[in-house]
Amino acid sequence: DQQVKQNSPSLSVQEGRISILNCDYTNSMFDYFLWYKKYPAEGPTFLISISSIKDKNEDGRFTVFLNKSAKHLSLHIVPSQPGDSAVYFCAASGVGASYGKLTFGQGTILTVHP
Amino acid sequence: DGGITQSPKYLFRKEGQNVTLSCEQNLNHDAMYWYRQDPGQGLRLIYYSQIVNDFQKGDIAEGYSVSREKKESFPLTVTSAQKNPTAFYLCASSSRQVKNEKLFFGSGTQLSVL
Repeated sequence: DQQVKQNSPSLSVQEGRISILNCDYTNSMFDYFLWYKKYPAEGPTFLISISSIKDKNEDGRFTVFLNKSAKHLSLHIVPSQPGDSAVYFCAASGVGASYGKLTFGQGTILTVHP
Repeated sequence: DGGITQSPKYLFRKEGQNVTLSCEQNLNHDAMYWYRQDPGQGLRLIYYSQIVNDFQKGDIAEGYSVSREKKESFPLTVTSAQKNPTAFYLCASSSRQVKNEKLFFGSGTQLSVL
């Protein structure tokens, strides 16, 4: 049972344009969401997070939006740069869950073309 | 520099053999985790440990074993009972004092079966 889903395996955008990566979840007990970025043969690195008490969190070129009623979150990257090309994972944790017990989506491969 | 070190980067396992993946951290984190990544799938939790001498099974613990004798170290043994061990293994850590459950990952070990 996939509780966190990233339905787009890949996304290709032009440099300077907006990249929008989507994530859906089914567990209504999730209350904290994170995005990680991963380069090949490396471990993921934390990018941005959002608590369920918010609907938007911004950090430079990266903005995460949360729609709790739709159980949907998205990551916007504006403007996209070639260095943003990587795999992006969304992850979620729930009320009462042990620290770090994150549930990850399958990942979306983002390619930004110069 | 603080961080998480995984070794080796590549590992090959013969039929019926147990192999051990090393994970060391100098971040003074209490919690440590092992995840497995397969192509097209998200990261899945194998085992985690909140404190020395204690660890818990994750979602896919069968065929794996761990120990946590020191705060800095959390080795993972892939036993011969694990029938499909080929995957990218990621170790992570987090501070119990940090509620946002941000994980810091090592650079991973690619395990393949000969």
